Amino acid sequence: DIQMTQSPSSLSASMGDRVTITCRASQTISNYLNWYQQKPGKAPKFLIYAASILESGVPSRFSGSGSGTDFTLTISSLQPEDVATYYCQQSYSTSVTFGQGTRLEIK
Amino acid sequence: EVQLVESGGALVQPGGSLRVSCAVSGFTFSSYAMSWVRQAPGKGLEWVSGIGGNGYSTYYADSVKGRFTISRDNSKNTLFLQMNSLRAEDTAVYYCAKTRDYQHVDPVFDNWGQGTLITVSS
Repeated sequence: DIQMTQSPSSLSASMGDRVTITCRASQTISNYLNWYQQKPGKAPKFLIYAASILESGVPSRFSGSGSGTDFTLTISSLQPEDVATYYCQQSYSTSVTFGQGTRLEIK
Repeated sequence: EVQLVESGGALVQPGGSLRVSCAVSGFTFSSYAMSWVRQAPGKGLEWVSGIGGNGYSTYYADSVKGRFTISRDNSKNTLFLQMNSLRAEDTAVYYCAKTRDYQHVDPVFDNWGQGTLITVSS
């Protein structure tokens, strides 16, 4: 299986900060990389697919980039409602795998 | 509006069996592949199984292969997961998730249910 590794595992930032989360694949996955947001006690919410395409309705402060093995999720200006755990997921293989998650808090 | 509603979660003894269901509405169910994704308490997301729109192609994580069976009834807009030989490590919230495409190829999960809790314990 393709292993997905996120860093950092947790992150504390101030409102208005630019935040970057990294996701690395154990082998090349082209741009088959998706991002999800999960708030406490809730189901995951789909944010970004194909590494950089924002799902409809997702605020434009979210963006994604990368290709091959290295990817990033960026929040340009952190808002209180962005407190959540973020997961990357590869869809290159039919055996889907997720990163371990990055917990984002407000400082 | 797309809706996915899981049901069937329960407390089950190790070695036992359980079937969970996911009733969907708001989209043409037979046109989309579906998956089950689970989350153990305090842990991350783990994909469990996927199925194509026509139900003929199925996929499983190694951790559940041979014990779990995914199926769907397109006439009833319902997805199922039959779980046998349950183990303590199967304890988790089980989410059903809709993909963007007909086949389980490039599975991107654009809609999720609220989850159903399965606890495996004696």
